[in-house]
Amino acid sequence: DIVMTQSPDSLAVSLGERATLNCKSSQSVLYTSNNKNYLAWYQQRPGQPPKLLIYWASTRESGVPDRFSGSGSGTDFTLTISGLQAEDVAIYYCQQYYSTPSVTFGGGTKVEIK
Amino acid sequence: EVQLVESGGGLVKPGDSLRLSCAASGFTFSNAWMNWVRQAPGKGLEWVGRIKSKGEGGTTDYAAPVKGRFTISRDDSKNTLYLQMNSLKTEDTALYYCATDGVMYVIRGVVDFWGQGTLVTVSS
Repeated sequence: DIVMTQSPDSLAVSLGERATLNCKSSQSVLYTSNNKNYLAWYQQRPGQPPKLLIYWASTRESGVPDRFSGSGSGTDFTLTISGLQAEDVAIYYCQQYYSTPSVTFGGGTKVEIK
Repeated sequence: EVQLVESGGGLVKPGDSLRLSCAASGFTFSNAWMNWVRQAPGKGLEWVGRIKSKGEGGTTDYAAPVKGRFTISRDDSKNTLYLQMNSLKTEDTALYYCATDGVMYVIRGVVDFWGQGTLVTVSS
């Protein structure tokens, strides 16, 4: 299985500041034939199910605010929240779907307000 | 609007069986590939298994920890997904989510819609 490792486990950011979340895969999730990274990000607010934010490592799901951006390729990825809002308090998970159906998730990064 | 409503969770003893259901609406269920994903209390997300649409073979795949004990099925006439769980273990205790697989953009493996989950507790 592809192991996804997220860092940090948690971070506290002031309102309006930038949050940077990292995700590393144990093997490349870049499919060279189409040059796409099979990497998604999900947001799970307290008491809620996860919600898809980003797929193909950097494509925002419809309706997701543009303060959320994804970047990276191969094995190293980043989710950036530019200008943290109170409603962004959540746990964020990365997921690889390169080895679908056996998709795997990272352990999550908890984002809080400082 | 896509809606997924799970039911059937509860408290059971190790070795028991339980069947979860997921009622789907707001999309063409018969064409959809569907997943079960679980989340142990205070823990992260773990993929449990997936079923393809009948039109694409209706085959199932499972994560190693549940293979041979869990079975996913579907009734397209009722727009309902099932998870039959046998020989339950304490480590199966989790919130079980029903979730679509690439319904919006047909990207297999992207879990685009999630239900609210149903809690399964396995304890003696």
